[in-house]
Amino acid sequence: GQQLNQSPQSMFIQEGEDVSMNCTSSSIFNTWLWYKQDPGEGPVLLIALYKAGELTSNGRLTAQFGITRKDSFLNISASIPSDVGIYFCAGFITGANSKLTFGKGITLSVRP
Amino acid sequence: KAGVTQTPRYLIKTRGQQVTLSCSPISGHRSVSWYQQTPGQGLQFLFEYFSETQRNKGNFPGRFSGRQFSNSRSEMNVSTLELGDSALYLCASSLEGSTSGRRGEQFFGPGTRLTVL
Repeated sequence: GQQLNQSPQSMFIQEGEDVSMNCTSSSIFNTWLWYKQDPGEGPVLLIALYKAGELTSNGRLTAQFGITRKDSFLNISASIPSDVGIYFCAGFITGANSKLTFGKGITLSVRP
Repeated sequence: KAGVTQTPRYLIKTRGQQVTLSCSPISGHRSVSWYQQTPGQGLQFLFEYFSETQRNKGNFPGRFSGRQFSNSRSEMNVSTLELGDSALYLCASSLEGSTSGRRGEQFFGPGTRLTVL
């Protein structure tokens, strides 16, 4: 089935740095979601976006819903060690077969 | 408010056996979706239940089935297990499938780690 495009697969940054991740699709969505997953746990919802162009923050996290409705980005500022994990984007379109479609995730490592 | 719970957390089965996994959604949530997560394929949608009815289904063989009860709790069953069924099975609940203002917002449980030997 369709998946969203997230790359690179892994990112390595220094504690205190900012990091940006983006997610692209060939199809439009009317909701974009960003999740973080720690080892052995389920994904935790970080930010949800509902309108094209919307910019939303949650603490040090900021995400934007792309104007074309085919992309979204997540920015983490002033990274800390507990930001380590896998970050997934997910898109949702309402309709008869509405469901979440996920990217493969980006594994973030933070060097102290 | 308690989150999504899944039982058991870990399971080891052998090929050919069958397994039932359980999910209790967040109180008040009526939609439950199931996903399979593997390192190679990522998160793959299995099915969604709403008001005891399967509303949406992914591309998995008929060995994978599910149901939802009147209290919104859900179970999924995998029959005739294969080695490739080893995965983390995640359940997610949402307030409503697609018509609420917070459309698409799903909250995940911790998952059941299934190992097939």
